[in-house]
Amino acid sequence: DQQVKQNSPSLSVQEGRISILNCDYTNSMFDYFLWYKKYPAEGPTFLISISSIKDKNEDGRFTVFLNKSAKHLSLHIVPSQPGDSAVYFCAANAGGTSYGKLTFGQGTILTVHP
Amino acid sequence: EAGVTQSPTHLIKTRGQQATLRCSPISGHTSVYWYQQALGLGLQFLLWYDEGEERNRGNFPPRFSGRQFPNYSSELNVNALELEDSALYLCASSVSTARGHTEAFFGQGTRLTVV
Repeated sequence: DQQVKQNSPSLSVQEGRISILNCDYTNSMFDYFLWYKKYPAEGPTFLISISSIKDKNEDGRFTVFLNKSAKHLSLHIVPSQPGDSAVYFCAANAGGTSYGKLTFGQGTILTVHP
Repeated sequence: EAGVTQSPTHLIKTRGQQATLRCSPISGHTSVYWYQQALGLGLQFLLWYDEGEERNRGNFPPRFSGRQFPNYSSELNVNALELEDSALYLCASSVSTARGHTEAFFGQGTRLTVV
């Protein structure tokens, strides 16, 4: 039972354009969402998060949008840079006794071409 | 400021042996989490420790266990190793979740290979 899904295994984008990474979830108890970036042989790096009381959060080139009714979130990277090439994971958290437990999607490999 | 540190970086064990993995959290962080990333799979939640106590556990057999020490560092033990335990084991830390949702910061991982 995969509660967090990233349906696109990979995404290829030209430098300077927008990258849009998508994530769907099924558990209505999730109320906090995070995006992580991972390079090979390294641990995931936290990028940005959003609480379910918001529908948008921005941090520099990164913006996360949350559509609770559709149980969908997306990460926008504008403008995309070659250094953004990595695996991107979305993660969700339910709070309460599950505060410490993040449920991750399978990841999307982003390649930004110069 | 030092990030989350894990040791060893790589570990090779024989089937049936025990493996011990160690994690030091970011200074000031009291929560430690363990995740497994097997080849081709996403990150799977293993264990969560907060203030020295196990707070939550993922869907893993009891031979996966751990503890958190008074200095908030943590140890993950895997007993009776099986070939499918070969994976990248990631430790993360955060401030206490008593403050609510918070971001977890990950270490570089320990690559465990069972032969």
